[in-house]
Amino acid sequence: EVQLVESGGTLVQPGGSLKLACAASGFDLSGSAVHWVRQAPGKGLEWVGRIRSKANNYAPVYAESLKGRFTISRDDSNNSAFLQMNSLKTDDTAVYYCYIRATVDGHFSGVVYWGQGTLVSVSS
Amino acid sequence: DIVMTQSPRTLPVTPGEPASISCRSSQSLLHSSGYIYLDWYLQKPGQSPQLLIYLTSNRASGVPDRFSGSGSGTDFTLKISRVEAEDVGIYYCMQALQLPPAFGQGTKVEIK
Repeated sequence: EVQLVESGGTLVQPGGSLKLACAASGFDLSGSAVHWVRQAPGKGLEWVGRIRSKANNYAPVYAESLKGRFTISRDDSNNSAFLQMNSLKTDDTAVYYCYIRATVDGHFSGVVYWGQGTLVSVSS
Repeated sequence: DIVMTQSPRTLPVTPGEPASISCRSSQSLLHSSGYIYLDWYLQKPGQSPQLLIYLTSNRASGVPDRFSGSGSGTDFTLKISRVEAEDVGIYYCMQALQLPPAFGQGTKVEIK
């Protein structure tokens, strides 16, 4: 069974930093781009960014509004990806999800794996 | 950036009756391959989003055939032929053609 498990969410003060993890099991993460999405309480889904695979030079792309504060990385040896968040604001309070659009021979397979999410609360 | 607009925002439904959700993109989602990169997701209460429809009209694995997707270019529709109680939740369309991926605001389906 394929699972994505996010971790690292907690209560943090404004201006603080936090690093979230997305760990995959039952699936080899190394060939896939990993996306992060967040959902503020009672709100819709907001794309945060993504990191591509080694074959695509680990290229990251971020939502324009988050550029400079958030950094996505990955550790394929541990089948994991990470979201480093700095200079956190109260508006960053949300459930953070990672997801993967599985591909076959470079083409989307029709399968998307989502984690269960991890809650980040930014408050003093 | 592509902007996705859904309607209605809330949809009260009667079990056994059909339901329809619309989604519009600010730009065409047609890829050079001929595929239209529009997905539909359902987020049930307390759960992560789950893929229902991909590439406009393809049902994801395990999705009941009462769900169907259609559309072309910039206008898309998700239809439920006969709503069941388990279909409640928030439905999102999402464009996967170009970065950044963008979600619609969501349509909350609730039982009357």
